[in-house]
Amino acid sequence: QKEVEQDPGPLSVPEGAIVSLNCTYSNSAFQYFMWYRQYSRKGPELLMYTYSSGNKEDGRFTAQVDKSSKYISLFIRDSQPSDSATYLCAMSGTLGAGSYQLTFGKGTKLSVIP
Amino acid sequence: GAGVSQSPSNKVTEKGKDVELRCDPISGHTALYWYRQSLGQGLEFLIYFQGNSAPDKSGLPSDRFSAERTGGSVSTLTIQRTQQEDSAVYLCASSLAEGGGNTIYFGEGSWLTVV
Repeated sequence: QKEVEQDPGPLSVPEGAIVSLNCTYSNSAFQYFMWYRQYSRKGPELLMYTYSSGNKEDGRFTAQVDKSSKYISLFIRDSQPSDSATYLCAMSGTLGAGSYQLTFGKGTKLSVIP
Repeated sequence: GAGVSQSPSNKVTEKGKDVELRCDPISGHTALYWYRQSLGQGLEFLIYFQGNSAPDKSGLPSDRFSAERTGGSVSTLTIQRTQQEDSAVYLCASSLAEGGGNTIYFGEGSWLTVV
C-alpha cells in the first residue's frame, strides 16, 4: 500500500460546480497536510495548509482533515475555468528525522468546463 | 528574487551526457529541497539541505546523481551519464527552516528530456 493514495482522475465538472478532491494515507505520523495546485508546465503552488485534524477555509477553498480515518479533502466552491489544474495533496510528520520530507499523492487533474 | 529560481527551464540532452541543474532559493530560506516529478508519477524526494548540516541524500536514485549547495544558498543538481529514465521535471523548493510546519515553496522546475 502506498503511503498516500490519490485518484488521478481526470475529473471534469461544469463551471459553478462544487469540486471534492480527496487523499487517503497510511502513516499515522503525518501531522501537516497541504494541497498544492499545479498548472501545466509550472511548479506546484501551495494552496492550503492544515495542521492535525479539522477544517480550514480560504475563500472558495475548504480543506478538511480527518486523522481518525486518515482521509483529507479539498473542496472548491463555485468552480471556475481558472481552477483547471492538477491538485496534489502532500503531508509530513512532526519535527524529527525525515519530518521535512513531503510525501505527495500523484495528483488529480481537474478540468472546469465553461 | 521573489521566488525559487531554476535554470535551465528546459534541457534536451543525449543519453550518456552529464547535466547540471541550478536552483536559487528564496532569500533567507535555509532549507532547500530537490524533488523529481516523472510523467504520471507523484513528486519524489531526492535530497535535502539545511544550513551547514550534512545533506540528506537518501532519495537520490543512483550514484549518478549528486547535489551540492554552495555558501548556504545556490544549489546544483548534477546527473552523470544520463539515461532515458532520467527524463522528468526536477523541482527545487525552499523553506525558512526544517520541520513539518514550515511552508515549502517550489520553483517552476527544470524539464529534462534525455534522447
